[in-house]
Amino acid sequence: DAKTTQPTSMDCAEGRAANLPCNHSTISGNEYVYWYRQIHSQGPQYIIHGLKNNETNEMASLIITEDRKSSTLILPHATLRDTAVYYCIVPGYSSASKIIFGSGTRLSIRP
Amino acid sequence: GAVVSQHPSRVICKSGTSVKIECRSLDFQATTMFWYRQFPKKSLMLMATSNEGSKATYEQGVEKDKFLINHASLTLSTLTVTSAHPEDSSFYICSAPQRGQGGEQYFGPGTRLTVT
Repeated sequence: DAKTTQPTSMDCAEGRAANLPCNHSTISGNEYVYWYRQIHSQGPQYIIHGLKNNETNEMASLIITEDRKSSTLILPHATLRDTAVYYCIVPGYSSASKIIFGSGTRLSIRP
Repeated sequence: GAVVSQHPSRVICKSGTSVKIECRSLDFQATTMFWYRQFPKKSLMLMATSNEGSKATYEQGVEKDKFLINHASLTLSTLTVTSAHPEDSSFYICSAPQRGQGGEQYFGPGTRLTVT
């Protein structure tokens, strides 16, 4: 699995865009980047994933650099409920690959 | 999205007893499920891969005789913590990938185990 590096913590004002960076410089050509988050005392929640192109869904946008060595998860209008630990993961080729969690980024949304 | 449930959500047991935790995929079949444990303020640690119809695969350092995993059907995996001790107190979480959906995994809500 490609190793990922994320900042330990970040904060963002409510209503503003939260931009969470992730470095994955050892990613291979066919490996996807996945983002999950874990709200306190809950199971992790899938957010979004991508390969090369930028992706957007109802939760977030994912911007992947052209060289694929880094990506940014964007929560366009952060709310207090977005306070969580966010994990950037590159699990490998298989669609059923096990997920190894790193430390993630603890995002705090301030009122 | 797909739903994974866990039962019980919380359990308190006495030291030396065994506890069974169930993980179910409610609206899809899962030939593979994963079990994690999480200590306070720590990240999730993968314990084992549960394989339907075959033996589980354990991560290095996880005692297979202590954490028994059974994946008897395509929608159910169980984790039994045998002879539990206070140091086994933790948050146990399962996950299952939904094939054909891009590879994302769906996580259960977790089970809080407290061993007294």
